[in-house]
Amino acid sequence: EVQLLESGGDLVPPGGSLRLSCVASGLTFRDYSMTWVRQAPGKGLEWIASISWTGDRKYYAESVEGRFTISRDNSKNTLYLEMNTLSAEDTAIYYCTTYFRAFDFWGQGTRVTVSS
Amino acid sequence: DTVMTQSPDSLAVSLGERATMNCKSSQSVLNSSNNKNYLAWYQQKPGQSPRLLIYWASTRQSGVPDRFSGSGSGTDFTLTISSLQAEDVAIYYCQQFFSLPTFGQGTKVEIK
Repeated sequence: EVQLLESGGDLVPPGGSLRLSCVASGLTFRDYSMTWVRQAPGKGLEWIASISWTGDRKYYAESVEGRFTISRDNSKNTLYLEMNTLSAEDTAIYYCTTYFRAFDFWGQGTRVTVSS
Repeated sequence: DTVMTQSPDSLAVSLGERATMNCKSSQSVLNSSNNKNYLAWYQQKPGQSPRLLIYWASTRQSGVPDRFSGSGSGTDFTLTISSLQAEDVAIYYCQQFFSLPTFGQGTKVEIK
């Protein structure tokens, strides 16, 4: 069974930083591109970043470009999202997903709240 | 960016009846090299993570009941639930991944 377990969500003040992690199991992690998708309270889904299976190609939504960095460690089956210069608009549940035929498998999400 | 527009925003259907929802993309998501539409549908039940239902516009993900079907090509797509069950109450999102991924705003399905 594929499992994606996100962690690292927290309450952080505006302008702060946070690093999210997503540990994968039940699949050959290095074979999958991965993504981060977020969902603000009561809102829809927003893709924010993707990374190729080797980690050499990265793509970002305009809303996070230059502030967020996606990375992965295939030896640890782990995906990361480094988030800087956070603002209230970044408050959301952050999901990691595999990216194969589409966003095939999703984690349970980790909550990030940006507030003073 | 490719804008995805879903309609209606919400839908109330009686148990056992058909539910139909639409998704329109601002640009074609058909890859002419492999004739695949890079369009997916997701289901998100209250308090849960989204779940992939359909990819390539009409291919059901493993384990998805066959009452769910997807159709369409190019810029216009439809998700149909042939016989609505109580467990189908959810928000349904379409998504294109022909270019940088974008989601529709969602269609909320409720029981009438």
